[in-house]
Amino acid sequence: NAGVTQTPKFRILKIGQSMTLQCTQDMNHNYMYWYRQDPGMGLKLIYYSVGAGITDKGEVPNGYNVSRSTTEDFPLRLELAAPSQTSVYFCASRTGYEQYFGPGTRLTVT
Amino acid sequence: ELKVEQNPLFLSMQEGKNYTIYCNYSTTSDRLYWYRQDPGKSLESLFVLLSNGAVKQEGRLMASLDTKARLSTLHITAAVHDLSATYFCAVDGESGTYKYIFGTGTRLKVLA
Repeated sequence: NAGVTQTPKFRILKIGQSMTLQCTQDMNHNYMYWYRQDPGMGLKLIYYSVGAGITDKGEVPNGYNVSRSTTEDFPLRLELAAPSQTSVYFCASRTGYEQYFGPGTRLTVT
Repeated sequence: ELKVEQNPLFLSMQEGKNYTIYCNYSTTSDRLYWYRQDPGKSLESLFVLLSNGAVKQEGRLMASLDTKARLSTLHITAAVHDLSATYFCAVDGESGTYKYIFGTGTRLKVLA
């Protein structure tokens, strides 16, 4: 099992550009999450999904969009990138009470 | 506003000493989670506490949960350098939704 994988590992975007952060899990988990972690801070929930076709907002959804067409994939779309979106983004999946985190994507918007 | 507060935020301690990290939360969650994060790395699950009075231990770390006080503690016994990391607690934001809310973390440095 690869667990939760994320691509890319690093990315630099210019203000106003768009991109998609990819997240895939091979554990057949229904629940998946996207978080952002700003320097020296805890994680903030952006969006989450309870299964294919079902998504909902977390604490900080503005500026992001998600989709969940399959159990395995949960991409996060950034439209019109802003410097405030500079952060490390973590994807996670859950089974039972355990969350499994991906390695993260470090995004810089300049 | 739902809040999860940890203290201390920073902790520098000598090897061999004991210390406790506190996690206070404002939700009515009966579940609390502890994670460890090494610098530049992802999060690793340490403990899942599922009910009032729950206690879990792994090596030099012991976590407990008091849902009435909305308080969890992570106790470190005889610290060693390898425990240096940032520790996060998290709770369910709304009962039954599994929308996790994380604390800001406690950065622990164990000095040799």
